[in-house]
Formats: sequence, C-alpha cells, structure tokens
Amino acid sequence: ETGVTQSPTHLIKTRGQQVTLRCSSQSGHNTVSWYQQALGQGPQFIFQYYREEENGRGNFPPRFSGLQFPNYSSELNVNALELDDSALYLCASSWDRVAYNEQFFGPGTRLTVL
Amino acid sequence: TQLLEQSPQFLSIQEGENLTVYCNSSSVFSSLQWYRQEPGEGPVLLVTVVTGGEVKKLKRLTFQFGDARKDSSLHITAAQPGDTGLYLCAGERGGSTLGRLYFGRGTQLTVWP
Repeated sequence: ETGVTQSPTHLIKTRGQQVTLRCSSQSGHNTVSWYQQALGQGPQFIFQYYREEENGRGNFPPRFSGLQFPNYSSELNVNALELDDSALYLCASSWDRVAYNEQFFGPGTRLTVL
Repeated sequence: TQLLEQSPQFLSIQEGENLTVYCNSSSVFSSLQWYRQEPGEGPVLLVTVVTGGEVKKLKRLTFQFGDARKDSSLHITAAQPGDTGLYLCAGERGGSTLGRLYFGRGTQLTVWP
C-alpha cells in the first residue's frame, strides 16, 4: 500500500508567479484535504475535495484553487504568489468524508516565494 | 487566530523527566486528535479522543479530553530522546465542517540525553 506522496519536494518562485502542487492520495482514499503550514505555526485548512468536488474551504482567497481527478489525486494551484505564501503545503487523504476519520498526511511541499 | 491554543510552545527537558502539553479552546469539538511531526515530514496521528473525560494511553503517553470537550492534554512519562518532535493538537467540529481539522500552533519538544 502506497502512502500519500507530494511533488515537488521544494519549490522557489517569485512574487506574482503561479504554482501548481500535486498530491497522490493513499490507495482507496477518495477525500483529499490541503493545509498550509507557515513557519512556527500549525497547519491551516485550505480546502477539501471529496469525489472530485470541493467540499469545504478555509479562510483563503480565491487565488488558491484546486482540483481532484478521477483517480482521487489532487492539485493545489496558487496564482499571483505573495511573500506570505511561503510555507509548507501539506496534503492529507482519508477514506470517505466521515467523522473521526484518520487523515494520512504527505511529507509536504516547501514553497519559498522571493 | 488559532481556534486551539497550545502551550507551551517550546519545551526542553532532560531524559527521564515528565511533561504535559495543553490544548485549550473556547469552542466545543466533536473529537480531538494529537499528531507528531518530524522535520521534513507530515504530521502522524498518535491518538483520537471523542468522548468528554476520555483518557487514552499509548505506552508512556497519556491523552485526556476535557469533560466539556473544549480542551485536551498530553502527558509524557519518563521522556526519551526519541520523543523529540513537534506535537500538534487538532480538533474536528463536525457538521458542515466535517473532515476539517483545526490545528494548534504546536509544541516543539526537545529531550536531551
């Protein structure tokens, strides 16, 4: 059984650019959540995808968008990058959207915006 | 603004000491989870508590959920260098936010040999 994988591991961009981060969910998982973890902070919920539909969004502007594909892998897109977008972006997958369901986290993508 | 306040933010202790990490909120949670995160890795679930007053033990780690389901604590007995890491509490509120986790800022624990 393959765990949650994310690519790329590290990324450096400049202000105003656009970035796409990718996540492959654990086998059998149909729910993917994205979190942003700034340095010294806990992860902050960006949004969740359940069976290819956005299903809940945190307090992030519309320039943060996502997709989930039929194989349940997912992308996070960020447009017009700002310096404050520098963070570790975590993807977590779970089996179905139910309470107390364990979310399995990937290793994250470290994004630096210069 | 963090919905969950975690304290202390940093903890540096000697091997063999005991410690307690606190996670507090003014909001009620349907469940509370504790994670441990190593550098360069994502958080790994340690335990989920769902009932007010619930106590769970995992070897030397004891987790407690407050009676009102607004707070939780993690107690480590006889800490070891292998316990070093970032400990995160996260709550789930259920309802329309089902599956969404609200994380605390984390407690960076360092255990010296």
